[in-house]
Amino acid sequence: QSALTQPASVSGSPGQSITISCTGSNSDVDFYNYVSWYQQHPGKAPQLIIYEVNNRPSGVPNRFSGSKSDNTASLTISGLQAEDEAAYYCCSYTTYNTLHVVFGGGTKVTVL
Amino acid sequence: DVKLVESGGGLVQPGRSLRLSCVASGFTFDDYAMYWVRQAPGKGLEWVSGINWNGGSIVFADSVQGRFTISRDNAKNSLYLQMNSLRTEDTALYYCAKGRGYNFDYIDYWGQGTLVTVSS
Repeated sequence: QSALTQPASVSGSPGQSITISCTGSNSDVDFYNYVSWYQQHPGKAPQLIIYEVNNRPSGVPNRFSGSKSDNTASLTISGLQAEDEAAYYCCSYTTYNTLHVVFGGGTKVTVL
Repeated sequence: DVKLVESGGGLVQPGRSLRLSCVASGFTFDDYAMYWVRQAPGKGLEWVSGINWNGGSIVFADSVQGRFTISRDNAKNSLYLQMNSLRTEDTALYYCAKGRGYNFDYIDYWGQGTLVTVSS
């Protein structure tokens, strides 16, 4: 099964908004609402920041938001902060063959 | 607090086997699906396998199908990954992860990982 497609890197200045795209197909992102996003700082385990396309777990700042249109999901970080510098991964179910889980390749966010 | 502690990683030769374990605490283990996800050095996340709450449904990535098996012991709050016929490309940090519900939906918590190095 193919990984979801994310840009390798995105950058922004503090206070700006950035958006990370996650492109799949009608077998995954377009088909399921189980799209989730994870933040990973260097040397640390990933942490869930968005689930079911646009929901935030308790404790995640509201500057993180998610959306989906057809086969592309998006993560927007509004009011970018220095601590947001990290790798971000999208994730979805896929019906490629049998049920599988697929991650995006990851996007490195740099705060300028 | 949810806690997932992996163990069993190490250096192993190609073609050999290794068994990873994950002990869970801080939640009712048999209420949730569990997963293994790996990350090769400097690379992204790769889903490996998932098992639902009672072990009745199991799925694998194509890259490990037929070589890896996943199991759980709900009485011991433990998840396992038996890895056979290991290849150099299986070298990675292996994370144990908790699902949000009984069956497969999404991962909400991760362990810190155990490193598997496959090399001669």
